[in-house]
Amino acid sequence: DIQMTQSPPSLSASLGETVSIECRASEDIYSNLAWYQQKSGKSPQLLIYYASSLQDGVPSRFSGSGSGTQYSLKISGMQPEDEGVYYCLQGSKYPYTFGAGTKLELK
Amino acid sequence: QVQLKESGPGLVQPSQTLSLTCTVSGFSLTSYNVHWVRQPPGKGLEWMGRMRYNGDTSYNSALKSRLSISRDTSKNQVFLKMNSLQTDDTGTYYCTRDNLLGYNYVMDAWGQGASVTVSS
Repeated sequence: DIQMTQSPPSLSASLGETVSIECRASEDIYSNLAWYQQKSGKSPQLLIYYASSLQDGVPSRFSGSGSGTQYSLKISGMQPEDEGVYYCLQGSKYPYTFGAGTKLELK
Repeated sequence: QVQLKESGPGLVQPSQTLSLTCTVSGFSLTSYNVHWVRQPPGKGLEWMGRMRYNGDTSYNSALKSRLSISRDTSKNQVFLKMNSLQTDDTGTYYCTRDNLLGYNYVMDAWGQGASVTVSS
């Protein structure tokens, strides 16, 4: 199975601060990487697909990058509504595997 | 409007079988794949398995011996059955739609989740 190592486990950011979350795959996943945001008590919501494509309706302050085994999610200007847990997901091979999550809080 | 809704018993006894239903609307099960994903309380997400648009299934090898996914296209429903439940199977179970976005498939719509507690 492909292992997804996500870092950091938690993050605290000030309003307007730029934050980055990383995911490293145990093998090349050919950009088959998605990012999800999960707010407390809610279902995960798709933010980014194919490593860098922004899902419709997602604010442009969210961006994704990476290739091969290294991927990152950037939030350019932290907003209060960005608090939540962020997960990466590889869809290159079954079983699909998620990163362990990054809890993002507003400082 | 794409919607998925999970339903099933909230409480299951240890060693018993969990049966969940995902009822979808706004898309056809013969055109889209549907996945099941679960989340233990306070923990991360685990992919469980997938019903493909053509009826084929894939399972997480860690659950394969206990898990079965089926469907009834006439009722727009996908079913999950998992036997020999233990307390660590407690959590929220989601069904999700797989959609072709860009060059690959991605889970773009999720149900609200069904909370399952395994306890006597």
